[in-house]
Amino acid sequence: SQQGEEDPQALSIQEGENATMNCSYKTSINNLQWYRQNSGRGLVHLILIRSNEREKHSGRLRVTLDTSKKSSSLLITASRAADTASYFCAFPMDTGRRALTFGSGTRLQVQP
Amino acid sequence: EAGVAQSPRYKIIEKRQSVAFWCNPISGHATLYWYQQILGQGPKLLIQFQNNGVVDDSQLPKDRFSAERLKGVDSTLKIQPAKLEDSAVYLCASHIDRDNEQFFGPGTRLTVL
Repeated sequence: SQQGEEDPQALSIQEGENATMNCSYKTSINNLQWYRQNSGRGLVHLILIRSNEREKHSGRLRVTLDTSKKSSSLLITASRAADTASYFCAFPMDTGRRALTFGSGTRLQVQP
Repeated sequence: EAGVAQSPRYKIIEKRQSVAFWCNPISGHATLYWYQQILGQGPKLLIQFQNNGVVDDSQLPKDRFSAERLKGVDSTLKIQPAKLEDSAVYLCASHIDRDNEQFFGPGTRLTVL
C-alpha cells in the first residue's frame, strides 16, 4: 500500500503566525483527511477534502488538494499555543476502502 | 456522545510476555480499526472489523498478534509473545459506515523491555 509523505517534519512558529504543512501521495485517492494529535492522546479529525474539491475551509483551517500533483496542504492561520500538536494527512489505502494510510506527520510548535 | 474508550492507557511488560488491549467504540459504529503507532511515525493499520467480521488483517503479524470482536461491539487485541519492536501506541478507531471520518481512542502505550 502507498505511503504518505509530509513536510516539514517539524515546524516552530510564533503565536499569530501562519503554519503550512504539506502532504504528498503516490496513487489516486477519492478523499484526503487531516488529523491532529496532541502529545499522549489519540487523533482528532480536522477536515476532509474530496478529490473533486480544490480547497476547503473550516474556521482557521484551509486545506487544498491538487490531484494532478498528488499533494495537499494544510494552512493554520493566526496560530495559537493550543495548536501545538502533530498533524497527519491520511487517505484511503485503496480505492473503495475506508482504512486509512497516514503520513509521517508534522510536529508543530507554536511559541507563545 | 461518549468517545472511543481504550484500556489500559499504559502497559509495561518484558519481552516474551503476553498483553491484551481492550477497545469499546462509539455506540452504533459498525467499523472498528486497530492501528499501531511507533514513536515519530504515523499510525499503521493492523486490522479492520465490520461488525464482528474481519475485513482486512493483511498487515497483522499473525504469528504473534490476534484480535477479535465477538459481539460486534468491543474488541480486544492480543500480543503473544511480545518483542521489543512491539513498543508503540496501539490506537483503536471507529466510524459509522456512511462517513469517512474516524474517531480515535486515547490509545494504549506499550513498552516492551
